[in-house]
Amino acid sequence: GAVVSQHPSWVICKSGTSVKIECRSLDFQATTMFWYRQFPKQSLMLMATSNEGSKATYEQGVEKDKFLINHASLTLSTLTVTSAHPEDSSFYICSATPFRVNQPQHFGDGTRLSIL
Amino acid sequence: TQLLEQSPQFLSIQEGENLTVYCNSSSVFSSLQWYRQEPGEGPVLLVTVVTGGEVKKLKRLTFQFGDARKDSSLHITAAQPGDTGLYLCAGARANNLFFGTGTRLTVIP
Repeated sequence: GAVVSQHPSWVICKSGTSVKIECRSLDFQATTMFWYRQFPKQSLMLMATSNEGSKATYEQGVEKDKFLINHASLTLSTLTVTSAHPEDSSFYICSATPFRVNQPQHFGDGTRLSIL
Repeated sequence: TQLLEQSPQFLSIQEGENLTVYCNSSSVFSSLQWYRQEPGEGPVLLVTVVTGGEVKKLKRLTFQFGDARKDSSLHITAAQPGDTGLYLCAGARANNLFFGTGTRLTVIP
């Protein structure tokens, strides 16, 4: 149980385009979803926390107009990288929890984004 | 700036050797988790420790949570090539996880 699916797993696009990444909880309702970014050979850095039906909370230094997060349903959150540039190339990972406080996070398999 | 510092950052050992990875912080966490991550995949939870001083064993892996709940260690006995991967500790506070800097382990056959 507790499966989180990310799509796509790998995307390559030209600089200036926008890319949408989906995160789905397949067998539970996720009131909270998290988005992380991981650069090569580095650890995971939290970008933002989203609760279903409300605006996402962004970590310091993360541009909310650049990384648009939508959590419109209890099973789906999306991250849109707008006007992507090569420096946005990274491994993006989502996680989801079924309840708001002190519940384990279940991680997706990540999306590798490469901007040419 | 990451709250949790792991050491060593890289570790390359021969099959059969023992090793310890440390995860240190000046902050207190309600619990601490250890993950292993393979290239191109999301992290997979290995264990959660909650109580200060708690020790948990998972086959050849032994996890310990510091008495003050600020640090943790992972000890692997008789390492196998299948143990190769990126090991991440993560401290939990409220609903958030704060990941450590990571330790990349390579076990040479």
